[in-house]
Amino acid sequence: NAGVTQTPKFRVLKTGQSMTLLCAQDMNHEYMYWYRQDPGMGLRLIHYSVGEGTTAKGEVPDGYNVSRLKKQNFLLGLESAAPSQTSVYFCASGYGQPQHFGDGTRLSIL
Amino acid sequence: GQQLNQSPQSMFIQEGEDVSMNCTSSSIFNTWLWYKQDPGEGPVLLIALYKAGELTSNGRLTAQFGITRKDSFLNISASIPSDVGIYFCAGQLGNAGNMLTFGGGTRLMVKP
Repeated sequence: NAGVTQTPKFRVLKTGQSMTLLCAQDMNHEYMYWYRQDPGMGLRLIHYSVGEGTTAKGEVPDGYNVSRLKKQNFLLGLESAAPSQTSVYFCASGYGQPQHFGDGTRLSIL
Repeated sequence: GQQLNQSPQSMFIQEGEDVSMNCTSSSIFNTWLWYKQDPGEGPVLLIALYKAGELTSNGRLTAQFGITRKDSFLNISASIPSDVGIYFCAGQLGNAGNMLTFGGGTRLMVKP
């Protein structure tokens, strides 16, 4: 059952390390999104893309970068991980709204 | 920024009961969405509403776009154990691609 696939599913980092989260969708959606979900809070948008080669900032973009070099892939990068970035990260895709979500990447920064 | 207040925060009901939850905003929205999230998984889109006053059903679920455009309601009829999860509302102000604002979620627990 494809749809939106996120890798990795879990990761533990040390403060200051960098990493990239990968999101892939096979539904030919133009729009892709990266959210973070913290306990007791709804999802907050980090960055989004309305098409290949385009990206835009969301609600909480600081400390993250993204790239959409191919329509089916949306990458989220942490340049220098901080404990405040410990969270569950969700990627989504859709035709204007996030219609399909991945199962999340659980990221812990020590 | 915009805030969505979702209530109740949690509900514990008996199987077979009907459920109502709502979402209110300090700002108007052009689109309302309702999602369900099961443990360890991403949210799943249940219903999308695009017009003030719109009432839309998806099986036992019915959602309404409030006429003031500042609120939305989700009802679940005849609840079953698999309805357990967290339900999120989300509002979108502008055109496609614009940010969604999510509510804090309603955790639903169903007793068989």
